[in-house]
Amino acid sequence: DTEVTQTPKHLVMGMTNKKSLKCEQHMGHRAMYWYKQKAKKPPELMFVYSYEKLSINESVPSRFSPECPNSSLLNLHLHALQPEDSALYLCASSQEHSRNSYGYTFGSGTRLTVV
Amino acid sequence: AQTVTQSQPEMSVQEAETVTLSCTYDTSESDYYLFWYKQPPSRQMILVIRQEAYKQQNATENRFSVNFQKAAKSFSLKISDSQLGDAAMYFCAYRSQTSGTYKYIFGTGTRLKVLA
Repeated sequence: DTEVTQTPKHLVMGMTNKKSLKCEQHMGHRAMYWYKQKAKKPPELMFVYSYEKLSINESVPSRFSPECPNSSLLNLHLHALQPEDSALYLCASSQEHSRNSYGYTFGSGTRLTVV
Repeated sequence: AQTVTQSQPEMSVQEAETVTLSCTYDTSESDYYLFWYKQPPSRQMILVIRQEAYKQQNATENRFSVNFQKAAKSFSLKISDSQLGDAAMYFCAYRSQTSGTYKYIFGTGTRLKVLA
């Protein structure tokens, strides 16, 4: 299995809703990432988990809450989002978050719309 | 701080022809990785090619090759025999090898259109 699977593919939520994005990989990668991508822009890093521990938080608002229950699974919990949070949310994984880099494997993303 | 610049927002190429996408970067580091990623309308970012800064030899993957000029801080992507499936947004990315900062820095992207 050489894929990163993200669910759901599309999500529409109200500003008072609570929802979660899910990301799963079975490649044995020990680093997992959340990126946010606005239309026609490059991805922006949000969070990095390395060996199931949060290692980087790019000053993301607390309405985004990441969780890494195990080495294969990464969640992003959403609460009280704003319309400007509407974007494509990409999950990625890599062998390690360290010196050796063979590049990331990205999922196909969740298109989030906040109404 | 490192920066990555892609000066061509959009490019077009005729099917079967060759096209070169430009990328320049700025860094004071000597040890780093450079990548080209492709993002088709399906949204998934796909790794196209990877270059290690300490290797002088240019990376090649089938129809994709790079021209890596470390002194000039240039990392262009050449696509030979362009195919309709090559149409996508292409992002150049820099990854530091400095301890604790293993993050990608992406360029703004180049949208490639392939004309039949």
